[in-house]
Amino acid sequence: ETGVTQSPTHLIKTRGQQVTLRCSSQSGHNTVSWYQQALGQGPQFIFQYYREEENGRGNFPPRFSGLQFPNYSSELNVNALELDDSALYLCASSAGTSGRNNEQFFGPGTRLTVL
Amino acid sequence: GNSVTQMEGPVTLSEEAFLTINCTYTATGYPSLFWYVQYPGEGLQLLLKATKADDKGSNKGFEATYRKETTSFHLEKGSVQVSDSAVYFCALGPSGGYNKLIFGAGTRLAVHP
Repeated sequence: ETGVTQSPTHLIKTRGQQVTLRCSSQSGHNTVSWYQQALGQGPQFIFQYYREEENGRGNFPPRFSGLQFPNYSSELNVNALELDDSALYLCASSAGTSGRNNEQFFGPGTRLTVL
Repeated sequence: GNSVTQMEGPVTLSEEAFLTINCTYTATGYPSLFWYVQYPGEGLQLLLKATKADDKGSNKGFEATYRKETTSFHLEKGSVQVSDSAVYFCALGPSGGYNKLIFGAGTRLAVHP
């Protein structure tokens, strides 16, 4: 069984640029959630995708957008990068969208640095 | 809204010492509660969970009991090892709706030989 994978591992961008981060979900999982973890803080929920549709969103501006593909992999896109976007971006997959037993499995993250 | 509060770190202990990391929550309904661990340079790993009041989650010598009366889910381990050094996150799962986790700020644990 392959776990959650993310690419790239590290990325350096400058203010105003755009970035795309990628996530492959665990086998058998149809739901992907994205989280932003700033240095020294806990992860913050960005949004969730289920069957290629956005299923819920946290308190992030529209320049954070995403996609989910038919194979349930996902992309996170951030436009007009700001310095505060520097963070570890975590992807998590699960076998469903709701219910207390839908454990989320996390990938290793992508470290984004905005200069 | 729902929220999680963890004790601030860092927590520094000697090997074989007793560990407690406090976690309290605010939530409506009956959420699930989780402890995740993050080792240096890695993503999050689920350490243990509890899905209803009075449930005890346990794994690798760590335990936490879901206390609805005190809205707490404190993490404990009787004898820590150097390899337990990591950042520990308490998290709140949904009591309804979609599967979103709310995390505390994390507590860094450093265990010295």
